[in-house]
Amino acid sequence: AQSVTQLDSHVSVSEGTPVLLRCNYSSSYSPSLFWYVQHPNKGLQLLLKYTSAATLVKGINGFEAEFKKSETSFHLTKPSAHMSDAAEYFCVVSYSPGGGYNKLIFGAGTRLAVHP
Amino acid sequence: GAVVSQHPSRVICKSGTSVKIECRSLDFQATTMFWYRQFPKQSLMLMATSNEGSKATYEQGVEKDKFLINHASLTLSTLTVTSAHPEDSSFYICSARDLRAGETQYFGPGTRLLVL
Repeated sequence: AQSVTQLDSHVSVSEGTPVLLRCNYSSSYSPSLFWYVQHPNKGLQLLLKYTSAATLVKGINGFEAEFKKSETSFHLTKPSAHMSDAAEYFCVVSYSPGGGYNKLIFGAGTRLAVHP
Repeated sequence: GAVVSQHPSRVICKSGTSVKIECRSLDFQATTMFWYRQFPKQSLMLMATSNEGSKATYEQGVEKDKFLINHASLTLSTLTVTSAHPEDSSFYICSARDLRAGETQYFGPGTRLLVL
């Protein structure tokens, strides 16, 4: 069975300091993993995705994530937080139920607050 | 990039009435679209998978007669909440699968439904 656990419901950082949002997954086969960001009153935006190529994935806005199979983790990082990074972040695992398409399972989300 | 729109963005209706929400892929064709529901401060839960030209596939616990889905063209899927009740109040989000980007799903901005 596929599942994803975001280890922190809230993360608070100061502007200019590193960001770490933690995600662990469970999958019965090689997963596709995603990070999405949701700003207030806006749709979800894809930050980055892992699909069994390079284990270090670079995304938009300076974010990156590293796929670690041994730890079943896919943590999201950014070297220096900006005020505009404040949002809800979702770690997502994809699985195929058959029928030629994949379904997404969302983590519970991590709310990132960035303080001046 | 792939853009998905939803209409309306907000809707308020009386209990017992029906509400239709549209989801459109603006610059790509989507054989598969997905409908999600998000409660306040919670994650997204998949309600159903909408396939162009065929019946939708509903997740366990989702009433298909309550939430009617139609995917009549490669760019449009509609969700109709029939005989809406206050407990149906929620944030409804659609996504569309862009085959040009593998299994990546692109999300609409969401529709906030309030049933009085």
